[in-house]
Amino acid sequence: EIVLTQSPGTLSLSPGERATLSCRASQSVSSSYLAWYQQKPGQAPRLLIYGASSRATGIPDRFSGSGSGTDFTLTISRLEPEDFAVYYCQQYGSSMYTFGQGTKLEIK
Amino acid sequence: QITLKESGPTLVKPTQTLTLTCTFSGFSLSTSGVGVGWIRQPPGKALEWLALIYWDDDKRYSPSLKSRLTITKDTSKNQVVLTMTNMDPVDTATYYCAHSWQQLVLFDYWGQGTLVTVSS
Repeated sequence: EIVLTQSPGTLSLSPGERATLSCRASQSVSSSYLAWYQQKPGQAPRLLIYGASSRATGIPDRFSGSGSGTDFTLTISRLEPEDFAVYYCQQYGSSMYTFGQGTKLEIK
Repeated sequence: QITLKESGPTLVKPTQTLTLTCTFSGFSLSTSGVGVGWIRQPPGKALEWLALIYWDDDKRYSPSLKSRLTITKDTSKNQVVLTMTNMDPVDTATYYCAHSWQQLVLFDYWGQGTLVTVSS
């Protein structure tokens, strides 16, 4: 089983700032099959990034993903008020399709 | 427009079997590469993938829960059913169904989720 460890657990920033979220895998993620989701309270997750760096349909270009192997990053270039939420990474390259434990992005 | 909606009991007793139905629209589960999966989330905790069924009836299960899960589809009704046996209080969670594509366990459209509580 590939374990995904997200850091930090909580990130406190202000609107307009840049956010950098990390997702580290215990083994290499094949074919960069790594996705990022955003979840707001009481809502279902929303797919942001797949294939480590491809934005899903309708996702603003302030969201970008990068990385390969075991280290992946989600960057939000300039935070908007609606971006404060919990973010999960997920790997879909092995038979145990695991999620990370999440990073909470909160308003400072 | 793709939509999915989960339905089923909100309360089950320990040792009972849970049956959840996902009813969807806007796509066909007979289209090549398409799948429907189930993911759950205990209150205040992270997401956990459970199972997925593809258009060609290929089925994938979480290894840790495989012995308790069964996923089936009814293409004519646009429904996917998940059963989980021997329910325990630790199975209390919001259960989501979601659409996948390109024969991947990757979810681009999600249902609203349904909270299932396991308690006597």
